Amino acid sequence: EVQLVQSGAEVKQPGESLRISCRGSGYTFTAYWIAWVRQMPGKGLEWMAIIYPYDSDTRYSPSFQGQVTISADESISTAYLQWTSLKASDTAMYYCARHYGPPDSIFEFWGQGTLVTVSS
Amino acid sequence: QSALTQPRSVSGSPGQSVTISCTGTRSDVGGYNYVSWYQQHPGKAPKLIIYDVTKRPLGVPDRFSGSKSGNTASLTISGLQAEDDGDYYCCSHAGSYTFYVFGTGTKVTVL
Repeated sequence: EVQLVQSGAEVKQPGESLRISCRGSGYTFTAYWIAWVRQMPGKGLEWMAIIYPYDSDTRYSPSFQGQVTISADESISTAYLQWTSLKASDTAMYYCARHYGPPDSIFEFWGQGTLVTVSS
Repeated sequence: QSALTQPRSVSGSPGQSVTISCTGTRSDVGGYNYVSWYQQHPGKAPKLIIYDVTKRPLGVPDRFSGSKSGNTASLTISGLQAEDDGDYYCCSHAGSYTFYVFGTGTKVTVL
């Protein structure tokens, strides 16, 4: 069974750094891309970035380029999304999803989400 | 890149059919057959229900169907059931700079 398990909820202050994780199981981790999607409170889905764990090839949405960094560690089947300096506007639910890779828009299996709250 | 345009809400009685539109441009929906649809229940992660405009993943009921005409993709739910209540989002490939864009989302209410 394909599963994506994300790290737990985080509460941070503005200016702090953060890295959240997404561990894949039940499939060959390096054979599929991993995507990150943001959902702000009460709002819709926004595609952020994707990474191919096999060679760490990455693509970023222009809206998120330079704001976040994604990475992957194939040895532990885990992908990461990180911030160096959080803002209150980063408060959102963040989902990872197994993705077929460009150009296909198939976000096939989703993690349970990680809620990030940024508040002073 | 703006979000694809969806109606804010649609509703129908059990057994009826509803159709959700997803309007983009030639740079996204109209330019590629890479449109997908997602169902999201409150407090839950999204679930893929249609990909490549018309295809259904294993396990998705055939009540769900997708189509596309020009710059507009559509999701039709036939024979509405109570469990279809939720939010629905479309997504399209949008070229080699933007890559992907989601729709604004549609709330489906089963009356």
